[in-house]
Amino acid sequence: NAGVTQTPKFRVLKTGQSMTLLCAQDMNHEYMYWYRQDPGMGLRLIHYSVGEGTTAKGEVPDGYNVSRLKKQNFLLGLESAAPSQTSVYFCASSPGLGRAWNTEAFFGQGTRLTVV
Amino acid sequence: DQQVKQNSPSLSVQEGRISILNCDYTNSMFDYFLWYKKYPAEGPTFLISISSIKDKNEDGRFTVFLNKSAKHLSLHIVPSQPGDSAVYFCAASAIVGEGAQKLVFGQGTRLTINP
Repeated sequence: NAGVTQTPKFRVLKTGQSMTLLCAQDMNHEYMYWYRQDPGMGLRLIHYSVGEGTTAKGEVPDGYNVSRLKKQNFLLGLESAAPSQTSVYFCASSPGLGRAWNTEAFFGQGTRLTVV
Repeated sequence: DQQVKQNSPSLSVQEGRISILNCDYTNSMFDYFLWYKKYPAEGPTFLISISSIKDKNEDGRFTVFLNKSAKHLSLHIVPSQPGDSAVYFCAASAIVGEGAQKLVFGQGTRLTINP
């Protein structure tokens, strides 16, 4: 059981380049999330999805797009990378069974992205 | 607008002693609180949680206390072990659109256990 897997683990981009981060989960979870972690700021929610074909904005969505074409995959895209997007990106998934659920989320190992 | 705050960036504790990590929040609508542990180059892993209707939850060496009137929670680790050295994130759960759960994280506290 691999859990949540992120690809790639590291990437260096030049300003203006585009790229896609892939998140895959094998737990049949309904909900998936993308967070970014920056020093002194904890993890902040970029976008999330409550099911296949649906996405929604989180706290810091500007400059990012997402897609959830398959239930197990959640893609995060940067169309034109900027140095401010240098960060560590974490994907997470959770069961999404209702308000009485155990609300722990399962995280991937992270993608360290540097934009120069 | 930092809704969840961990005011201590770092904490150093001697092995065998108690580690106490603190967290404050501002939003009364949070209904669930969680602690995550993170090692370098790994994703956060769930450690322990507490519902807003309780004031204490214990799991082995880890105990979380919730003081709703003060909007404060704390994580106690007793006894502290070298393997506990990590960054600890406090998180609070809120329901966002369409019933999805959103975790709001604090800034993290780096705990170092000294032999």
